[in-house]
Amino acid sequence: DTGVSQDPRHKITKRGQNVTFRCDPISEHNRLYWYRQTLGQGPEFLTYFQNEAQLEKSRLLSDRFSAERPKGSFSTLEIQRTEQGDSAMYLCASGANGLAPQYFGPGTRLTVL
Amino acid sequence: AQSVSQHNHHVILSEAASLELGCNYSYGGTVNLFWYVQYPGQHLQLLLKYFSGDPLVKGIKGFEAEFIKSKFSFNLRKPSVQWSDTAEYFCAVIESGYSTLTFGKGTMLLVSP
Repeated sequence: DTGVSQDPRHKITKRGQNVTFRCDPISEHNRLYWYRQTLGQGPEFLTYFQNEAQLEKSRLLSDRFSAERPKGSFSTLEIQRTEQGDSAMYLCASGANGLAPQYFGPGTRLTVL
Repeated sequence: AQSVSQHNHHVILSEAASLELGCNYSYGGTVNLFWYVQYPGQHLQLLLKYFSGDPLVKGIKGFEAEFIKSKFSFNLRKPSVQWSDTAEYFCAVIESGYSTLTFGKGTMLLVSP
């Protein structure tokens, strides 16, 4: 399967813990995007990378959130000191360039207790 | 800020009925437009896209959408729905010069056999 993959698919954590999610994009895609989706809403943009450079961050991305794409391939999204409001589906997408369609992974569902 | 409005949160149709899902966006400049679909238990998939040219675009599974610039609309249509079209449909927009998708809240379509 050459689509976007995400790990883990589900994560349950207690408030105050740190969590890290991984995304593996389609191999030839330069762009990698993170979105967050809550119940009843469409996905909301968090941040994106062009190769290893993080080019844009949403105001939704508080200082407890950090994302990396160290070698321009896979990316990680870390949330420190999780809060119940962080409970959501975290989606990763990749695209060949800025104008290309974005292809989404299955998401990581985070539940903060 | 860019916003996308989807007119109906839930639509229920019988098989063979015609479908039209409304989508309006707020940005007055050049946009790229998308419809994504999420089948039960699956990840977001690209249904169709509009970048330029013929405002009537055809996608997978018999879906089409019409871009009407004067109405800031990009409505999704299908002449005859099937039970397998039961899914959530998301309209999304990218403003010219940007790379991030702005999604509507989605429309849940239930097709009864």
